[in-house]
Amino acid sequence: DTEVTQTPKHLVMGMTNKKSLKCEQHMGHRAMYWYKQKAKKPPELMFVYSYEKLSINESVPSRFSPECPNSSLLNLHLHALQPEDSALYLCASSQLITDTQYFGPGTRLTVL
Amino acid sequence: GEDVEQSLFLSVREGDSSVINCTYTDSSSTYLYWYKQEPGAGLQLLTYIFSNMDMKQDQRLTVLLNKKDKHLSLRIADTQTGDSAIYFCAETLSGGGADGLTFGKGTHLIIQP
Repeated sequence: DTEVTQTPKHLVMGMTNKKSLKCEQHMGHRAMYWYKQKAKKPPELMFVYSYEKLSINESVPSRFSPECPNSSLLNLHLHALQPEDSALYLCASSQLITDTQYFGPGTRLTVL
Repeated sequence: GEDVEQSLFLSVREGDSSVINCTYTDSSSTYLYWYKQEPGAGLQLLTYIFSNMDMKQDQRLTVLLNKKDKHLSLRIADTQTGDSAIYFCAETLSGGGADGLTFGKGTHLIIQP
């Protein structure tokens, strides 16, 4: 099983809203990732969690707040977003040793 | 720094072979990957190759790695309409840590009937 699930599939929010994106995997992977993908562009790394600890933050604005409550779950809390934050948000996970990353289907976020 | 380059479009006839090329600049790259993305979907891992290999074959897919020229290619034999997608080449430096992937811009594979 190489499945990573993400909810919701689509999300529309206003600039004053607070929302959360969720990601789950049951492959026993100990690294989890958030990527942002704008239309017609490649994914860009946002955050990396390794053993439930934040190990990489690619200078992401504080209106994006990641959380890893346990080894299977990864959340991305959103607050006071801007329209330019509209994008496909992809979650991935990997075993640390091989680093082969498996991606979820993404959450399509629209900020009005 | 890391940089991965790909051509943006490739058009092939159904039944022909498709060859998608990628070049990378960082000689420290340890793992190289090919991902497929269909419209509105996430990324599907197709195959990967370690930097100590020069070829890997998996059914219709063949990956060739030329470390000297830092060139990676993905050959899809007998291309079908279902192969129409964007193909991303990606690299990571990590050999035991957890690093993010650096992606090329993606090659849009267009299948002609």
